[in-house]
Amino acid sequence: GAVVSQHPSWVICKSGTSVKIECRSLDFQATTMFWYRQFPKQSLMLMATSNEGSKATYEQGVEKDKFLINHASLTLSTLTVTSAHPEDSSFYICSARSASGSRKNEQFFGPGTRLTVL
Amino acid sequence: DAKTTQPPSMDCAEGRAANLPCNHSTISGNEYVYWYRQIHSQGPQYIIHGLKNNETNEMASLIITEDRKSSTLILPHATLRDTAVYYCIVRPRDAGNMLTFGGGTRLMVKP
Repeated sequence: GAVVSQHPSWVICKSGTSVKIECRSLDFQATTMFWYRQFPKQSLMLMATSNEGSKATYEQGVEKDKFLINHASLTLSTLTVTSAHPEDSSFYICSARSASGSRKNEQFFGPGTRLTVL
Repeated sequence: DAKTTQPPSMDCAEGRAANLPCNHSTISGNEYVYWYRQIHSQGPQYIIHGLKNNETNEMASLIITEDRKSSTLILPHATLRDTAVYYCIVRPRDAGNMLTFGGGTRLMVKP
């Protein structure tokens, strides 16, 4: 149980285009999802916190107009990187916080999406 | 969240126990110690967590000192597949806050 999926697992795009990454909790409901970014040989850095049905909360230094987050249901959050540039190339990881059950408030991570912007 | 300090890297021989230390001297009474690991190019994987008692599951054991200022994650028989970055994180269990990752320990299991 407590599986989180991400799609796509990797994507290559041209500079200036937009890319959407999906994060799904497959067997539990998640009122909150988190989006992290990880550059090579660095730790995970939180980008934003996404709550179902409300606007995301972005960490300092993360442009909300560039990284659009939508959390329309209890099992799906999307991150759209708009007008992508090479410096946006990174490993994007989502996590979902269980809303109920024996593992309420535990965070479960997706497998990550590797974005390469040419 | 309280901060943690971990050695940046460690080596371990395959089949031997891997003991990964973590200092969390400013931990609060309601904060748990969580351990995650991240294998290269994958998302973090939950390993174990505890409050003050030692914990064991199918993956590892967690030893927390009596004063709770440090802990040790033990992989009893390390395999090559245990090569990963191991993160020690402290936070209140029910806070619902995001997990904040530090630098972690890069464990290299060698044949």
